[in-house]
Amino acid sequence: AQRVTQPEKLLSVFKGAPVELKCNYSYSGSPELFWYVQYSRQRLQLLLRHISRESIKGFTADLNKGETSFHLKKPFAQEEDSAMYYCALWGAQKLVFGQGTRLTINP
Amino acid sequence: NAGVTQTPKFQVLKTGQSMTLQCAQDMNHNSMYWYRQDPGMGLRLIYYSASEGTTDKGEVPNGYNVSRLNKREFSLRLESAAPSQTSVYFCATVVGGYYEQYFGPGTRLTVT
Repeated sequence: AQRVTQPEKLLSVFKGAPVELKCNYSYSGSPELFWYVQYSRQRLQLLLRHISRESIKGFTADLNKGETSFHLKKPFAQEEDSAMYYCALWGAQKLVFGQGTRLTINP
Repeated sequence: NAGVTQTPKFQVLKTGQSMTLQCAQDMNHNSMYWYRQDPGMGLRLIYYSASEGTTDKGEVPNGYNVSRLNKREFSLRLESAAPSQTSVYFCATVVGGYYEQYFGPGTRLTVT
């Protein structure tokens, strides 16, 4: 069975500081991993996926199969990054989400 | 091009009442999903439909039923609502081959 764990429910950092949102997964197959973001009063939207290896809004995430992790990072946080972030894993025709991390950027 | 739409946006029910949440998509995607979002629990999959005519249980199907009416529409029914079903419900579709999900705006349901 696939499982995604986000150990931090809440994360608060100051503007300009680095951000790292943790995500660990368990899955017997080859994982397809994603980060989704939900800004206040908006629907969930895809932030990035590991297969594309792209940087979106300054965020990057590297898949570490040895540590079964897919942490989301940004070197300099901005106030508009405040949102709910979900790590997700695709397998067996469905997407399984972690519990989410609420990121707050303080001015 | 509306993407994924959900009705209603808000609903208040009394325990024991029934209702159907509607979801429609105009993106011609095969797969559709229903999730519930609760604080501290993340998004949990209730039911999904990989293609028209098929439905499968997700992580938390008890107390719900679904109907894949056609390729566009996927409804979620609560036959006898309970306070534990108070939640925000999201419908989503997926782009085949890319696994990216597109979400609707959500329905906020309160059961008293």
